[in-house]
Amino acid sequence: QVQLVESGGGVVQPGTSLRLSCAASGFTFGSYGMHWVRQAPGKGLDWVAVIWYDGTKKYYVDSVKGRFTISRDNSRNTLYLQMNSLRAEDTAVYYCVRYNGNWWDYWGQGTLVTVSP
Amino acid sequence: QSVLTQPPSVSATPGQKVTISCSGSSFNIENNYVSWYQQLPGTVPKLLIYENNKRPSEIPDRFSGSKSGTSATLGITGLQTGDEADYYCGTWDNSLSAGVFGGGTKLTVL
Repeated sequence: QVQLVESGGGVVQPGTSLRLSCAASGFTFGSYGMHWVRQAPGKGLDWVAVIWYDGTKKYYVDSVKGRFTISRDNSRNTLYLQMNSLRAEDTAVYYCVRYNGNWWDYWGQGTLVTVSP
Repeated sequence: QSVLTQPPSVSATPGQKVTISCSGSSFNIENNYVSWYQQLPGTVPKLLIYENNKRPSEIPDRFSGSKSGTSATLGITGLQTGDEADYYCGTWDNSLSAGVFGGGTKLTVL
């Protein structure tokens, strides 16, 4: 069965960095685009970034451009999100999500990132 | 401010039908497939509808989706108390080159 397991979240100070990982299993990881979607406490879903199945294309929401970098290692079945210059407004649960061409079909359990002084 | 617009809340009584709208533009809904997600309290979002009106096999036919122009609609019939959740529409935006979600609609089954 498809499994997506995020890790790397935690409590950090503003201006610092964090790298999230998402270990994928149960499917051919290298055949799917992968996304990060976040959800601030008590708020709605907020799309963050996408990486094409082969890593050739990457897109970001404006609020994280220049600060976050999405990447993947298809040999390790792992998705990453490098987050630099973190801000309080980046506080959220970050979900790793598989994209099935036109929809998000499998979501990980999420990892909580808290940015606080 | 979300790119896709949903009503913040809807309510109905058990057994009734409810619809949730999702309004966008030619950059997103009109030219891309829409999907819908259910998020029960304290859980991960779950796919309900994909490609505008298709249901994963495990989703009961009480849930339906439709799209017309720049708007999409989620319908739920035979409401149950277990349907109380937040519902989100989502799609791709060609102008932003970004995924976009609605702000979410909280369904209350009175």
